[in-house]
Amino acid sequence: EVQLVESGGGLVQPGRSLKLSCVASGFTFNNYWMTWIRQAPGKGLEWVASITNTGGSTYYPDSVKGRFTISRDNAKSTLYLQMNSLRSEDTATYYCTRGGYPYWGQGVMVTVSS
Amino acid sequence: DVVMTQTPPSLSVAIGQSVSISCKSSQSLVYSDGKTYLHWLLQSPGRSPKRLIYQVSNLGSGVPDRFSGTGSQKDFTLKISRVEAEDLGVYYCAQTTHFPPTFGAGTKLELK
Repeated sequence: EVQLVESGGGLVQPGRSLKLSCVASGFTFNNYWMTWIRQAPGKGLEWVASITNTGGSTYYPDSVKGRFTISRDNAKSTLYLQMNSLRSEDTATYYCTRGGYPYWGQGVMVTVSS
Repeated sequence: DVVMTQTPPSLSVAIGQSVSISCKSSQSLVYSDGKTYLHWLLQSPGRSPKRLIYQVSNLGSGVPDRFSGTGSQKDFTLKISRVEAEDLGVYYCAQTTHFPPTFGAGTKLELK
């Protein structure tokens, strides 16, 4: 059974940092691109970051470029999202998903507020 | 960026009724390999999204055949035959043909 389990969310002040993790199981992690998607409260889905299967290339929208860093440790089957200089508009539930969206984690809430 | 336009924004249905949701993209979603990376997701209340259909018309694992997807190029449709209570939630179309990946705004399916 495929599982994606996120952790690391919480309440953080504007300008501070947070690092999310996503542990994958049930599939060969290093064969697949991985992606972070977020959903602000009551809103739709927004792509946040993607990483190739080797970790050699990463992609971001302008809204997080330069502040967020996606990475992976294939030996640990774990995906990460380092979020720096957080803003109130980053408040959302963050989901880890495999390329093409066949599997999603349960989501982790990030609240940016003073 | 590819804009995904979903209609209607909401639907009120009775159990057993059939419904369709439209998704139109601002560009063709045919990739250079000939495949079309248009997917349909369902987010049930309080849950993570679940992929129902991938590449226009392929049913996801465990998805009942009451769901079907059709379309090509820029115009796509999700049909639900004989709606059941478990089908309620927000439906999203999503494209991964072009970077960045984008989503429709969602269609909320509610009980009449």
